[in-house]
Amino acid sequence: DIQMTQSPSSLSASVGDRVTITCRASQGIANSLAWFQQKPGKAPKSLIYVASSLQDGVPSRFSGSGSGTNFTLTISSLQPDDFATYYCQQYEIYPWTFGRGTKVDIK
Amino acid sequence: QVQLVQSGAEVKKSGASVKISCKTSGYPFTSHYMHWVRQAPGQGLEWMGIINPRNGNIPFLQNFEGRVSMTRDTSTDTVYMELSRLRFEDTAVYYCAREGLLASGHTSAIDYWGQGTLVTVSS
Repeated sequence: DIQMTQSPSSLSASVGDRVTITCRASQGIANSLAWFQQKPGKAPKSLIYVASSLQDGVPSRFSGSGSGTNFTLTISSLQPDDFATYYCQQYEIYPWTFGRGTKVDIK
Repeated sequence: QVQLVQSGAEVKKSGASVKISCKTSGYPFTSHYMHWVRQAPGQGLEWMGIINPRNGNIPFLQNFEGRVSMTRDTSTDTVYMELSRLRFEDTAVYYCAREGLLASGHTSAIDYWGQGTLVTVSS
């Protein structure tokens, strides 16, 4: 199975900060990488697919980049609604696998 | 609009089975693969498997020792996930999640999620 390693596991930030989360795949996955946001007690929300394309309705402050094994999710200016846990997932090869998540909380 | 509406919470005894439904609407049911993902309390997301609603084929199932099955009913646009021989560690929220389609027609990442179904396994 492909292992997805996210870092950091948690971070504290303030409204307006630029936040970057990284995700590394244990083998190349081209650009078959998605990002999800999850708030406590809620279902995940899809943010990004093919590493850098925003799902419909996702604010433009979110962006994704990378290919192969190294990927990043960037929030250009953190908003109050963005405090949540973020997961990456590879969908290049079955079984699809998730990173362990990055919790973004308020500094 | 696309909606995935799951059945309600379940409490089961260890060794029993649970069958969760995911009723879809707002798109052609047979056009998108459906995935199942679970999340144990306080833990991350675990991908379980995928079903092709067009023909019921299962391209891949995680190794649950043969305890997982996925089916669909095209007359009601509903997919089902059944987990048998339940164990305490199967206590989790189970999600159905639709696979998206690129403009090219190729499959893509998950784009829509159900609201989740909490399954609690007691001894």
